[in-house]
Amino acid sequence: KNEVEQSPQNLTAQEGEFITINCSYSVGISALHWLQQHPGGGIVSLFMLSSGKKKHGRLIATINIQEKHSSLHITASHPRDSAVYICAVLAQGAQKLVFGQGTRLTINP
Amino acid sequence: NAGVTQTPKFQVLKTGQSMTLQCAQDMNHEYMSWYRQDPGMGLRLIHYSVGAGITDQGEVPNGYNVSRSTTEDFPLRLLSAAPSQTSVYFCASSYSPYSGQGNGYTFGSGTRLTVV
Repeated sequence: KNEVEQSPQNLTAQEGEFITINCSYSVGISALHWLQQHPGGGIVSLFMLSSGKKKHGRLIATINIQEKHSSLHITASHPRDSAVYICAVLAQGAQKLVFGQGTRLTINP
Repeated sequence: NAGVTQTPKFQVLKTGQSMTLQCAQDMNHEYMSWYRQDPGMGLRLIHYSVGAGITDQGEVPNGYNVSRSTTEDFPLRLLSAAPSQTSVYFCASSYSPYSGQGNGYTFGSGTRLTVV
């Protein structure tokens, strides 16, 4: 079993829908990252979380440390949100990220 | 600020050739790292560095060499290229790998490497 599991692996939705991507992990962590990779290949860091909730525009990330679970939400989704979303965790005491396999999101107009 | 500059963007090598992928950042980040991304495998850590003069192996270090002589630069060397090293390579940096410090990771634009 991977240390970081994302679900779903693929998600297709219509423009305007509320999107949720989930990330579960099996180790104690000091931080969790959400990354976005566009079809062109570039990777952008969206959020770094160690507790609670963060919001940036239409993106919201939450983390439940006790349940070892994080979610990334997109409100009022738009075709430009189509990308691969990657969850990565930094285990306690570690200096390197462990990555999930990514969730490929497609938003149709 | 340029962020993380990664060169080249594309490269084709013959089996057995060597080459260096360049990575430079201008944000005074202590932590730098190299990843490879293969279809269905996600990102995997090759090598990382927590500061000038300090490097360590990641998940898939075989066939690769790194050095960190300055804070800004973290080149990745392929010693004798093999078809299994065909991949997309990303360099990333951050202020610190530890929680609560900095704003996460900044990634380079990637290098698509093909070994024939």
